[in-house]
Amino acid sequence: SAVISQKPSRDICQRGTSLTIQCQVDSQVTMMFWYRQQPGQSLTLIATANQGSEATYESGFVIDKFPISRPNLTFSTLTVSNMSPEDSSIYLCSVKLQGTNEKLFFGSGTQLSVL
Amino acid sequence: AQKITQTQPGMFVQEKEAVTLDCTYDTSDPSYGLFWYKQPSSGEMIFLIYQGSYDQQNATEGRYSLNFQKARKSANLVISASQLGDSAMYFCAMRELGDGAGSYQLTFGKGTKLSVIP
Repeated sequence: SAVISQKPSRDICQRGTSLTIQCQVDSQVTMMFWYRQQPGQSLTLIATANQGSEATYESGFVIDKFPISRPNLTFSTLTVSNMSPEDSSIYLCSVKLQGTNEKLFFGSGTQLSVL
Repeated sequence: AQKITQTQPGMFVQEKEAVTLDCTYDTSDPSYGLFWYKQPSSGEMIFLIYQGSYDQQNATEGRYSLNFQKARKSANLVISASQLGDSAMYFCAMRELGDGAGSYQLTFGKGTKLSVIP
């Protein structure tokens, strides 16, 4: 496995502001993803973070609301823009590590509360 | 139709006993992978075990084993010798491999909350 670090681990934000979440991996990564887990719910894929190009978004998620960067293989950021209370969720990055076949691992998560 | 169904919202197990968490799935893709994750109250998602649709043997990882019944489309997680630290939410998830190009989207079930009783 690997260490998948997310920052911040939690935050409380005001409506209308933006928060950028970082995901750093200490091993070689082939793919990176961002998921959202709304309170009491399961996980939903937001997008695939592509190195050096625009992320691939799932239905219901748009770049203006959730801009994503991945400047290199092991680092990615997710920004939650113009936040509203409905954005209160756990945001998790997920990675496929090189040489681990089909296994997908998750970061420690960011618990976001929007007031 | 739901792709992943976990019918047990909550389960209780006595410490040191074994427990089975149910998961059924629905796919027409012949090639897929099944995952189990543990989510403690801290929120992180911890990978437990993986089973590929073409794997001949049931997957095992320490105290975790996956009871894979392909014809029934079930992938139940068995935790042996439960410990207090096993108390958490458990999610079953599936990845459909499709044409092999590699969509890595995971579809998750709604989860089962396991409580281990001392």
